[in-house]
Amino acid sequence: SAVISQKPSRDICQRGTSLTIQCQVDSQVTMMFWYRQQPGQSLTLIATANQGSEATYESGFVIDKFPISRPNLTFSTLTVSNMSPEDSSIYLCSVEVEDYEQYFGPGTRLTVT
Amino acid sequence: GQQVMQIPQYQHVQEGEDFTTYCNSSTTLSNIQWYKQRPGGHPVFLIQLVKSGEVKKQKRLTFQFGEAKKNSSLHITATQTTDVGTSFCAGKWSNDYKLSFGAGTTVTVRA
Repeated sequence: SAVISQKPSRDICQRGTSLTIQCQVDSQVTMMFWYRQQPGQSLTLIATANQGSEATYESGFVIDKFPISRPNLTFSTLTVSNMSPEDSSIYLCSVEVEDYEQYFGPGTRLTVT
Repeated sequence: GQQVMQIPQYQHVQEGEDFTTYCNSSTTLSNIQWYKQRPGGHPVFLIQLVKSGEVKKQKRLTFQFGEAKKNSSLHITATQTTDVGTSFCAGKWSNDYKLSFGAGTTVTVRA
């Protein structure tokens, strides 16, 4: 298993601004993922954060809007740029441990006004 | 892309009743995982099924993987109020490193 922390846990931001979310893991992991979860909805994968290379983005998500850093095997950040109310959501990071199991952080609840 | 379909989306059950949630893929899965998200919480890994026809149990929860590895189910017996929340299946295919999450089944329980 893995213990994951995220900061901030929640934030209220004005449109047009940017927010950087941090994800810290208590052990070294190869695969880290960033998801978005709208209220009452399922999880949508934004991107896979690769250590030492650029993140791999899913269809509908672009690096300019969601830049990701992965400086080492225990840490990653996701920035939500130039925010609009449509970006209001819960953002979750997860890590893959043995046998493809994923463990999730507690999430960041973002409200854009 | 490849995806898993999950039904029902909502389940309102009487305490003590059983219920089942189903996941289906149009193509053969490498494995399927189940997660539980309690209200206000984050998804928590429950179990992974890998083998054709596999059945695993966790207390009142029974997980099955179909013979063709295209469908899976989660059956909960004697529902308790602590079962409220959303159960997600997540499928993985051999040609992809990512998980595809189903829509989830949100359960409410009436005492």
